[in-house]
Amino acid sequence: AQSVTQPDIHITVSEGASLELRCNYSYGATPYLFWYVQSPGQGLQLLLKYFSGDTLVQGIKGFEAEFKRSQSSFNLRKPSVHWSDAAEYFCAVGPKAAGNKLTFGGGTRVLVKP
Amino acid sequence: GAVVSQHPSRVICKSGTSVKIECRSLDFQATTMFWYRQFPKQSLMLMATSNEGSKATYEQGVEKDKFLINHASLTLSTLTVTSAHPEDSSFYICSASGGTGRDTEAFFGQGTRLTVV
Repeated sequence: AQSVTQPDIHITVSEGASLELRCNYSYGATPYLFWYVQSPGQGLQLLLKYFSGDTLVQGIKGFEAEFKRSQSSFNLRKPSVHWSDAAEYFCAVGPKAAGNKLTFGGGTRVLVKP
Repeated sequence: GAVVSQHPSRVICKSGTSVKIECRSLDFQATTMFWYRQFPKQSLMLMATSNEGSKATYEQGVEKDKFLINHASLTLSTLTVTSAHPEDSSFYICSASGGTGRDTEAFFGQGTRLTVV
C-alpha cells in the first residue's frame, strides 16, 4: 500500500531564511506527487505537482520541489520565507490513472519568526 | 485553476440530526469527486470516491450508511452525515476531478467544519 511520510511535524524558521520540508513516499511505481498548503480553517491550495519530465518543479509563491526517484523523496524548498508562509504543508501522492485519489502525509506545520 | 465550491463552510448541528454538505465544480465537469476527512492537527483521510451517476466507493472503515454520498450531476456531489454524533465533528473537504486519465488534477473545496453538539 502507498504511504507518505513527512518526518517533521513542526518547523520554525526565521523570516528571510530558507525552508526545506521533507517528504518520502512508498509506492509501487512512480506516482504523481503534490505539495499543498493549508492555512488555519481553510481548504487546500496546490503549490506544485510532479507528473513527469524535469525533476525540479517550480510552483507558486516561490516554492520549488525536487523529485528524487532513488530516494523516493519529493522535498519542498523556498529560498527566503515570508511571514505569510506560516501554514500547514501536506505532501501527497496519487496514482497516474485514477483522477487523483490522493494519499496524504501527516503534514508539517511551519512557524515563521519575525 | 478550476474552482470548487463547498457549502456550508461551517455548520453546527445537534446530536442525532443529519447534515448535508455540498461540493460544486463551478467551471468544469467533475466526473469524479473525492471526500476527505481531517481531524484536528491530523492529515486528510480519504473517505470515499464518487463517480457521476454511480454509487460511491468507500474506503475501508468508513460507514456507507452513515456517510451518504450522492453524485447526481457532473457539477454537484453531496455528503450527508446521518444521525450525527459528537465524534463526527471534523473538517470535511471535497475535491473534484474532470477525469481519470493521465495528468488529471483534482481541485479542492474550501472545506466544511462540522461541529456536533
